Amino acid sequence: NAGVTQTPKFQVLKTGQSMTLQCAQDMNHEYMSWYRQDPGMGLRLIHYSVGAGITDQGEVPNGYNVSRSTTEDFPLRLLSAAPSQTSVYFCASSFGDRATEAFFGQGTRLTVV
Amino acid sequence: GNSVTQMEGPVTLSEEAFLTINCTYTATGYPSLFWYVQYPGEGLQLLLKATKADDKGSNKGFEATYRKETTSFHLEKGSVQVSDSAVYFCALKGYGGATNKLIFGTGTLLAVQP
Repeated sequence: NAGVTQTPKFQVLKTGQSMTLQCAQDMNHEYMSWYRQDPGMGLRLIHYSVGAGITDQGEVPNGYNVSRSTTEDFPLRLLSAAPSQTSVYFCASSFGDRATEAFFGQGTRLTVV
Repeated sequence: GNSVTQMEGPVTLSEEAFLTINCTYTATGYPSLFWYVQYPGEGLQLLLKATKADDKGSNKGFEATYRKETTSFHLEKGSVQVSDSAVYFCALKGYGGATNKLIFGTGTLLAVQP
């Protein structure tokens, strides 16, 4: 079972460059989200989606865009990378009810120089 | 809004020691509570969960009880192993719509020494 697949695993960007982090899930989950993980900060929610065509901002959305054209895919776009966006990014998906757990991808380690 | 507070680490224990990692939460209504574990270089995996008051989640020797009166969900294990070394995250999930997000604590690093 593939579960949640994130690509790439590692990426180095120069300041000002743009890129897209890919996330795909094969569990027919309606709810998908992006988190960033920084030392001492836990996981902070960037953007989330409750279904195809519906997205909303999380706790730290600035500098990131998302779209959800299909149930399976939820890409995260960095418009103009900054060193403050150096982090580990995780994509997660789940069913929409409160009792079910989220499934996480393996993460993307992004360094902006 | 909803929030989770967990004890800061790192927690360093000897093998076979008893483990407690404290977690308290603030939420409206009746959230579901989760413990996730992150092994080095990996993503997060669900360790256990509880969806209503007084429920006990358990897995791999770990346990946590959903205590509504103290708004707590402390993680315990009677005898830790070196292989339990990881970062542990407490999290909650509320009701539908905007409150259906998974809210995490800051994580607690556990290091178990042989």
